Amino acid sequence: NAGVTQTPKFQVLKTGQSMTLQCAQDMNHNSMYWYRQDPGMGLRLIYYSASEGTTDKGEVPNGYNVSRLNKREFSLRLESAAPSQTSVYFCASLTGWRTEAFFGQGTRLTVV
Amino acid sequence: SQQGEEDPQALSIQEGENATMNCSYKTSINNLQWYRQNSGRGLVHLILIRSNEREKHSGRLRVTLDTSKKSSSLLITASRAADTASYFCATFRAGGTSYGKLTFGQGTILTVHP
Repeated sequence: NAGVTQTPKFQVLKTGQSMTLQCAQDMNHNSMYWYRQDPGMGLRLIYYSASEGTTDKGEVPNGYNVSRLNKREFSLRLESAAPSQTSVYFCASLTGWRTEAFFGQGTRLTVV
Repeated sequence: SQQGEEDPQALSIQEGENATMNCSYKTSINNLQWYRQNSGRGLVHLILIRSNEREKHSGRLRVTLDTSKKSSSLLITASRAADTASYFCATFRAGGTSYGKLTFGQGTILTVHP
């Protein structure tokens, strides 16, 4: 039982490049989330998917797109990376309002 | 702006002392959760309190929730050096257009000196 798996773990991009961060969970959870965490900061919600087939903007969605590919997978895409998107990205999932979220180990992204 | 605001931003104590962290939020919630993060690692869930609960215990952790004041506190009793970490509150909404939204506060950095 792997829990929440994020790939890649590290990535360096040049300004203007695009990339997709992958997230998969094997716990049959309904809801999935993407956060970014900057040094000394809390987690800021980028996008979330409360259930398969739905996606909603969080606090900082600009510059990102998401796809809930199926119940297991939720990807985050940067179409044209900017240095301001340098951050650690976390994916999380949970199954309902009575339960806690489980987190991946994070993707450390640097945009130069 | 973030849903949760935590106070203090940093807390430094000696082993054996109690640590109290506070969280305030802005909108109605269905539950409030506390998480711990060790440096450079992912978040680990500590405790969840539902909106109809006022207090909850788990080992050395005690959480209170006051929905009228939109605030919560996390108490760690008899702290240990291994409790050194960042602690975050998170609020979950299960109603209206924000169904399923889970948002975090900025966190409290706890340092426990041996």
